[in-house]
Amino acid sequence: GAGVSQSPRYKVAKRGQDVALRCDPISGHVSLFWYQQALGQGPEFLTYFQNEAQLDKSGLPSDRFFAERPEGSVSTLKIQRTQQEDSAVYLCASRRGGRDIQYFGAGTRLSVL
Amino acid sequence: AQSVTQPDIHITVSEGASLELRCNYSYGATPYLFWYVQSPGQGLQLLLKYLSGDTLVQGIKGFEAEFKRSQSSFNLRKPSVHWSDAAEYFCAVGNSNYQLIWGAGTKLIIKP
Repeated sequence: GAGVSQSPRYKVAKRGQDVALRCDPISGHVSLFWYQQALGQGPEFLTYFQNEAQLDKSGLPSDRFFAERPEGSVSTLKIQRTQQEDSAVYLCASRRGGRDIQYFGAGTRLSVL
Repeated sequence: AQSVTQPDIHITVSEGASLELRCNYSYGATPYLFWYVQSPGQGLQLLLKYLSGDTLVQGIKGFEAEFKRSQSSFNLRKPSVHWSDAAEYFCAVGNSNYQLIWGAGTKLIIKP
């Protein structure tokens, strides 16, 4: 009964580097969400997948952010040419389907220097 | 615009005292409402949710919340806090599809 797993837990990047953040959802969960949580703030929606289809990417802050879920399971959030303002905790959540609750991973804390 | 307001950034209570965390929302339809707790280094854990029906909902760890439509509120309560309740608490509203809109959180500090 593993929960949502995110890796790495911590990532330090130099400004301008590309980073890739991984999310392993709960097995069988259809929906997957990415959120960005800045220090002292609540999470903000980034993007949403249903199986392999990215149904909503309206929350991605710029075209430097890209997410994929090619086989409808593991998802990767990629940030190109990282900037200091990208420093945040990136949370992944999965959901069995419909209006089921979202289960969250522990997040990846990204620090851009 | 849809929004969630948690007016208290920090709240300090003594161990054993009662707790109420405030949450107000702005939403055009019947909301789905949630309270999550986040401990340092941990993921967000669902405490309770309101989807429909009884406006007083019970959650885990002895928490409850009451949906008051007239006040657009969904306040979280606990009759007696324990030191292990120290954490950050987030209120969220879900729209008819899937997206959660979050408050900024309230950090709960427990005095011994």
